[in-house]
Amino acid sequence: AQSVTQLDSHVSVSEGTPVLLRCNYSSSYSPSLFWYVQHPNKGLQLLLKYTSAATLVKGINGFEAEFKKSETSFHLTKPSAHMSDAAEYFCVVQSEYGNKLVFGAGTILRVKS
Amino acid sequence: DGGITQSPKYLFRKEGQNVTLSCEQNLNHDAMYWYRQDPGQGLRLIYYSQIVNDFQKGDIAEGYSVSREKKESFPLTVTSAQKNPTAFYLCASSSGLAILDTQYFGPGTRLTVL
Repeated sequence: AQSVTQLDSHVSVSEGTPVLLRCNYSSSYSPSLFWYVQHPNKGLQLLLKYTSAATLVKGINGFEAEFKKSETSFHLTKPSAHMSDAAEYFCVVQSEYGNKLVFGAGTILRVKS
Repeated sequence: DGGITQSPKYLFRKEGQNVTLSCEQNLNHDAMYWYRQDPGQGLRLIYYSQIVNDFQKGDIAEGYSVSREKKESFPLTVTSAQKNPTAFYLCASSSGLAILDTQYFGPGTRLTVL
């Protein structure tokens, strides 16, 4: 069965510094992986997705993620944090059975001014 | 504007009562989903539907029921059998069930049982 582990429940960075949100996955096949963002009391918005094409995936708002099969990782990065990036981020792996998503527990990103 | 609407945004229910959460989409998507979100647990799938008049249980279907009478609508009923219903409920849709079909989420309904 597929699973996702987000290694940090909370991350705090200063505005203008790099962001790293870590995600490891477990899958018995070559997975599709996603990062979603959720602002307080809002729905989820897709940031980016990996579907076995290029291993470095660029998303919206300057975020990108690199798929590393040898490390079973899919970490999310951004060169320079902005105050509006403060939100909760979910790493997600797709189930091999249909379009079912398996969510990580989430990482809350705090951006300090 | 195309998208997914959920109503109401906040819902309060007395213990023992059934309550129905609304989800409507105008994206012409075939597949629709209901998730439950609890703090520190990510999202868990309750039910999903591939086409009208068909739906399947997700990982935590006990105490919930759904219907899919119209393509654009997928209401969720939280029954009195659900032991811990207080949560944030999110509806999503996708064009199909294929791997490349991105799921789009509604704004959510926060249910509180008093």
